[in-house]
Amino acid sequence: GDSVTQMEGPVTLSEEAFLTINCTYTATGYPSLFWYVQYPGEGLQLLLKATKADDKGSNKGFEATYRKETTSFHLEKGSVQVSDSAVYFCALSDFNTNAGKSTFGDGTTLTVKP
Amino acid sequence: NAGVMQNPRHLVRRRGQEARLRCSPMKGHSHVYWYRQLPEEGLKFMVYLQKENIIDESGMPKERFSAEFPKEGPSILRIQQVVRGDSAAYFCASSPPEITDTQYFGPGTRLTVL
Repeated sequence: GDSVTQMEGPVTLSEEAFLTINCTYTATGYPSLFWYVQYPGEGLQLLLKATKADDKGSNKGFEATYRKETTSFHLEKGSVQVSDSAVYFCALSDFNTNAGKSTFGDGTTLTVKP
Repeated sequence: NAGVMQNPRHLVRRRGQEARLRCSPMKGHSHVYWYRQLPEEGLKFMVYLQKENIIDESGMPKERFSAEFPKEGPSILRIQQVVRGDSAAYFCASSPPEITDTQYFGPGTRLTVL
């Protein structure tokens, strides 16, 4: 079945540091890929998505590129802020094979210190 | 357009009681998904419903758990005879009738079983 593996945390960075959170996937079909962010005590917010190979999703300074050859979708941000502290989830969804249900990684906790 | 609504946000039950979790999808959305998040883990798919139909319940425990999405009213996730291991955050997501890979998540219900 489909699966998502993401970099284990926690990750602690200083403000303005560069962020990379690795994510790789296995899928039988051709899924769409997502990054979600979860702030403490809240639900998941869609951060960005990409639907086909070489697509780049971007939002709020975060970027991720759909790499089919390496089955990866790494999240990057050039300069993190304290407000970026949250849990980040990589996920995939393939409506054609899985009727739209999403498969999530275990999450990576990011703490940004001033 | 209000987002996905879930209630209650926090629910405390004693072992053996019943828990009822409600989810109102976004206006115009006819697909509902339930996910469970255990502490320090990612979200795990439980069930996918359309109005009056269960489409995929492959992630639902075989006993004590049930879900419905009636023609009128919210979707309900029901857990009978709760046990401590049911303590988790339960998230609902919805998507519109047309084929789409994007789901919109509610804030979750945090169930604590004493």
